[in-house]
Amino acid sequence: DTGVSQDPRHKITKRGQNVTFRCDPISEHNRLYWYRQTLGQGPEFLTYFQNEAQLEKSRLLSDRFSAERPKGSFSTLEIQRTEQGDSAMYLCASSPSDRGRKAFFGQGTRLTVV
Amino acid sequence: AQTVTQSQPEMSVQEAETVTLSCTYDTSESDYYLFWYKQPPSRQMILVIRQEAYKQQNATENRFSVNFQKAAKSFSLKISDSQLGDAAMYFCAYRGAVGAQKLVFGQGTRLTINP
Repeated sequence: DTGVSQDPRHKITKRGQNVTFRCDPISEHNRLYWYRQTLGQGPEFLTYFQNEAQLEKSRLLSDRFSAERPKGSFSTLEIQRTEQGDSAMYLCASSPSDRGRKAFFGQGTRLTVV
Repeated sequence: AQTVTQSQPEMSVQEAETVTLSCTYDTSESDYYLFWYKQPPSRQMILVIRQEAYKQQNATENRFSVNFQKAAKSFSLKISDSQLGDAAMYFCAYRGAVGAQKLVFGQGTRLTINP
């Protein structure tokens, strides 16, 4: 069990640029979640995958955001035309599909839009 | 929609003492789970303790225990014999038992341990 891995750990980008983050979940976990955490706040749910299917998206996920999980393994989160308000920590978590099983979090990708 | 409220933005405790962090939640579901997560300055969320709503017995994990009051929708965390390594942000979280089972987090409580 190597844990949930996220890459990069930090990203600084200019406003208007596109960025892509990657999450590698624990290999046997078929559920994958993306959350966003702004400074001093709790994480907020963005989207959820069951295997390769994206089954739920938050209203926070504007049309500039897109997430994929090809083949039900790693996932990517892309933000197009970044805005300063996108600056946040983006957290990925994975869990088995059994009810109530705990979610394991990655260390997150901190995005700064300048 | 479910909500989680942590009314204590900051708490501090002397090393070796006991501290209680408060959490209330709102839900119309009858089957759910409650969690306390710890987030040290390195930022990785670590599960501290989990409570299943259908269990009346309060969960315990070593120095960590909860006081789960289902009717009052209250879920507090007690840390006994506080240690310097307990210093972190603590988040209370709700997770439904069906569907996406996404976590709904509170705003967090920053815990400081005074030596």
